[in-house]
Formats: sequence, C-alpha cells, structure tokens
Amino acid sequence: DSGVTQTPKHLITATGQRVTLRCSPRSGDLSVYWYQQSLDQGLQFLIQYYNGEERAKGNILERFSAQQFPDLHSELNLSSLELGDSALYFCASSYSTQGRADTQYFGPGTRLTVL
Amino acid sequence: DAKTTQPNSMESNEEEPVHLPCNHSTISGTDYIHWYRQLPSQGPEYVIHGLTSNVNNRMASLAIAEDRKSSTLILHRATLRDAAVYYCILRVLNNAGNMLTFGGGTRLMVKP
Repeated sequence: DSGVTQTPKHLITATGQRVTLRCSPRSGDLSVYWYQQSLDQGLQFLIQYYNGEERAKGNILERFSAQQFPDLHSELNLSSLELGDSALYFCASSYSTQGRADTQYFGPGTRLTVL
Repeated sequence: DAKTTQPNSMESNEEEPVHLPCNHSTISGTDYIHWYRQLPSQGPEYVIHGLTSNVNNRMASLAIAEDRKSSTLILHRATLRDAAVYYCILRVLNNAGNMLTFGGGTRLMVKP
C-alpha cells in the first residue's frame, strides 16, 4: 500500500459527459501528479500541483483540468469525454517539487471507460 | 528528460538472478537514474535510484557503468511476484517540475 488513495476505482460513462477523479496524497506529501495510461500512448504525465499551486503541465488536453485543495487532496476533471479518453488515470505524490532523488508514490488508479 | 533504451521484454526462471539493462548514452552529469516497476493491474512503484555509485536496497541492486551511459537493475532471486514492466527513467534538473517521463519499459516474465 503506497498510502495514496484514488476514487473511484472504476468509472463508466458516455461520450460528452464530465467526470471527476479524486486523489488523496500520502500524509505529508505536498506534490500531486496526474498520469494517464492508455494502450497506445503508455504512461504520460498530465499535470503537477505543489502545495495548491500548479507546478508543471504535460500533455493535458484543454478539456481536462485539475486542482489541489488546501487539505492537499486533488481532483482531475475530464469534460466533453471522447472514446479516446478511456484509460487508466494514476495519481502520484511526493514530498518535494524539484528533487531529482525524490520518490513518487502512485495510487491504484481509476479506470475510465467512455462508451 | 534524456532518453533511455530498454529491451521490450525479458524472461527469467524463478529463483534465478535477473539483469535488466538500460542504455542512457546522453545522460548528463547531474541526472539521476531511477527504476520503477508496474505490476499487473497496479500503479507504478519505486524500485531504486542512483547517481554514480552502485546502490542496494531490499528490492534490488543498481549497477551503474563507470561512464554512466548504461545501468543494470539486478533482481537477485526472481520470484513470480517480480513479473512486471520495469521502467528506467532519468531524472534531470528541471525547474519546471518533477514529473517522471516513462518510456516503453521492459516486460519481465518469470517462469516457475
């Protein structure tokens, strides 16, 4: 158990809909990262927050947004869903924001299926 | 992040050592070498990291070439539970953030 929790575990929805994925980081970790894993693209970084502030953006679509709340949990919002958004979404957390020796701890993921 | 090259897949017998190679010929002097693995139906998990010297922990050993252009993750006695995709990742000094850049990894299959 990494200490990172994600809800829900599974989500099935229809095209055009909007969903929210939730992540609670390990106790004491200030950074939260979101990654997407699809069969054709592999594991890709989406966005990072550090202590409530956006820190880095990766290949995140404009239809997707995220935030980190004062209690440090984070939510990833996916809107106008398309079939291609079906994927596993992982949240990870770490203590710092720039450490090259820093370890990231991953949650179990949310499997999103768009029908 | 600097690029790494790993074999797509490897096979091992249970209870034998496994050497997983990684080439990173464009590594710079300040890049850390990290290994993560992803067991089936789970999120990635940290395995080990190093900068210049060989490293050991309870999960594995990391052997880093003297010129740092390659490294090898060593599992001393593979178990069925070690069947996973292993990712070799370079962590660069990046003021823009601290994300991990995953490549294709090596799928390790362990035979009983």
